[in-house]
Parts: sequence; structure tokens; C-alpha cells
Amino acid sequence: AQSVTQLGSHVSVSEGALVLLRCNYSSSVPPYLFWYVQYPNQGLQLLLKYTSAATLVKGINGFEAEFKKSETSFHLTKPSAHMSDAAEYFCAVSKANTGNQFYFGTGTSLTVIP
Amino acid sequence: GAGVSQSPSNKVTEKGKDVELRCDPISGHTALYWYRQRLGQGLEFLIYFQGNSAPDKSGLPSDRFSAERTGESVSTLTIQRTQQEDSAVYLCASSRLAYEQYFGPGTRLTVT
Repeated sequence: AQSVTQLGSHVSVSEGALVLLRCNYSSSVPPYLFWYVQYPNQGLQLLLKYTSAATLVKGINGFEAEFKKSETSFHLTKPSAHMSDAAEYFCAVSKANTGNQFYFGTGTSLTVIP
Repeated sequence: GAGVSQSPSNKVTEKGKDVELRCDPISGHTALYWYRQRLGQGLEFLIYFQGNSAPDKSGLPSDRFSAERTGESVSTLTIQRTQQEDSAVYLCASSRLAYEQYFGPGTRLTVT
């Protein structure tokens, strides 16, 4: 079975500071992993994905995430937070190579303090 | 080249009425998903369609909820005898197999 845990439902950082949003997964098979962002009153937008290629994945808007199999983690980072990064972030997992369910974490709300 | 579209964008209905929500997936995407997102909460899986296979209905919260999909095109989510707890944003997404999902803008349902 697959599941996703996002530690910290709310994270606040100062503008210019490091952003770290945590995601741990459990999967019985090699997973595909995703981070999505949801801006206020908008749909979800894909930030980045891991599909068994490079373990360090770069996404849009300066975000990146590293797949660590030994830690079953896929944490999202950005070196320097911008005000426009304030949003809800969701981690998701699916089974690799199958057309199956996606499992989403409960989300982390990021606040950027000026 | 349009993305996933959903209609209506907003729906206000009285308790006890039936509602239909529509999703138009991206052309060529064989998989279609419905999720519910209550205010301030994460995504709750409802149902999943993959090609002509039987849908995965394991997330439907009650028998008041049903969904249909014609081939690999439009899907309709129907909620019968709506209740106030059904108020939420209903999101549709489509994808090619296990690749990333593309989400529609959602339908905001308010049951009064």
C-alpha cells in the first residue's frame, strides 16, 4: 500500500530564507513521487516529479526535491523564499509503471514573512 | 491543447437536491480522477477511471455519490440528495497512466 505523510501542516519562513517542506512515503513498490502547489483559489499545479531517473529533481520556480530511498523521503526545498511562494503544497505518490491511484498528503501551508 | 476543464465553476444548491459536476479531461489521457477538497484540508480521493476498465470507486463516501465516464472522454460526478457536509471543492484530474496528473480548476459546491 502507498501513503504519504507531510510533517508540519503550516510552515512559516522569512523572505530570503531556506524553504524545507517534508514528505515521507511508504510504498510496496518503486514509487513515482510528485510535489504540487496550490495557490489561493486555484487548482493544483505540478512543481516537480521523480520517476526513477535522477534522485535530485529540479522543478519550476527554483524548487527542487531529493529522493532518498533509505529515508523514504522526498523533501521539497528552495534556497531563498519569495513572497510569491506562499501557497499550499502537496506531496503525492503513485505506483511506478501502473495506471493506479495517486495518494496525496494532507498538505503544508507555506507562509512567507516579509 | 486545452487543459482539464470543469463545469460549473461554482454551484450553490439547496439541501436535498441532486447536482451534476462535469469534467473534460485532456485529450489522450486515459486516466481520470475525482477528488474532494474540503475547506483547509487535503485532497480526498473519490473515484478513478482507467480506460475501459471498471472504475475504482473505493473513495466514494456514500451511495449518494456516483460517477460515469464515456470512454476516454467526459466524466460526470453526481451527488444525490445533497447534504451540507458535501460542501467542498471537487477537483478532477487526468493523466497518462502513472505520470503526473493535470488538474482542472475545480467546482466549488455550496449546499445551503
